[in-house]
Amino acid sequence: DIQMTQSPSSLSASVGDRVTITCRASQSISRYLNWYQQKPGKAPKLLIYAASSLQSGVPSRFSGSGSGTDFTLTISSLQPEDFATYYCQQSYSTEEFTFGPGTKVDMK
Amino acid sequence: QLQLQESGPGLVKPSETLSLTCTVSGGSISTNNYYWGWIRQPPGKGLEWIGMKYYSGSTYYNPSLKSRVTISVDMSKSQFSLNLKSVTAADTAVYYCVRNWGLATAGGLNWFDPWGQGTLVTVSS
Repeated sequence: DIQMTQSPSSLSASVGDRVTITCRASQSISRYLNWYQQKPGKAPKLLIYAASSLQSGVPSRFSGSGSGTDFTLTISSLQPEDFATYYCQQSYSTEEFTFGPGTKVDMK
Repeated sequence: QLQLQESGPGLVKPSETLSLTCTVSGGSISTNNYYWGWIRQPPGKGLEWIGMKYYSGSTYYNPSLKSRVTISVDMSKSQFSLNLKSVTAADTAVYYCVRNWGLATAGGLNWFDPWGQGTLVTVSS
């Protein structure tokens, strides 16, 4: 099965900061990588699909990049509503779709 | 806009079967492009994919749960369901129903959207 790791596991940042989260797959997954945002008590929300495509309605300050095994999610200027936990997810293996462990972004 | 809503018991006894239903509104469950599935999240932990089903038959299950899981689709009611048998405390989680977009299109790039709001199921006697 394909293992997903994320770094860091948590980070503290201020409004306006540029934030970068890294996701790594245990084997090549091409561009089969999605990013979700989850706020406390809420369902995850799709931000980025196919590694770099912005989901409709998601602010343009969010961007994704990468292919193969290494991927990044970048928030260009952190806003108050962006404090949340972010998960990557590989959709390459239909044997088992797996999520990363999550990265919690909180206020410095 | 497509919406998903989970329903079912919030408390299940150990060794019994957990049964949840997801009602789809604002769209058709028999559309060619989509799989319908379930993802769970134990309290304070990460996300675990359970499985998903195409309306006309194809099914994928998490290997770690495959022996206990059944997902079914009822097109007449625009609902799909999850049955998880022989539950233990480890199955306590928030269960989300989801739509998978893309897998049905020749196995292409795919993702989960939208998600239901989630329902907490506690396994306890």
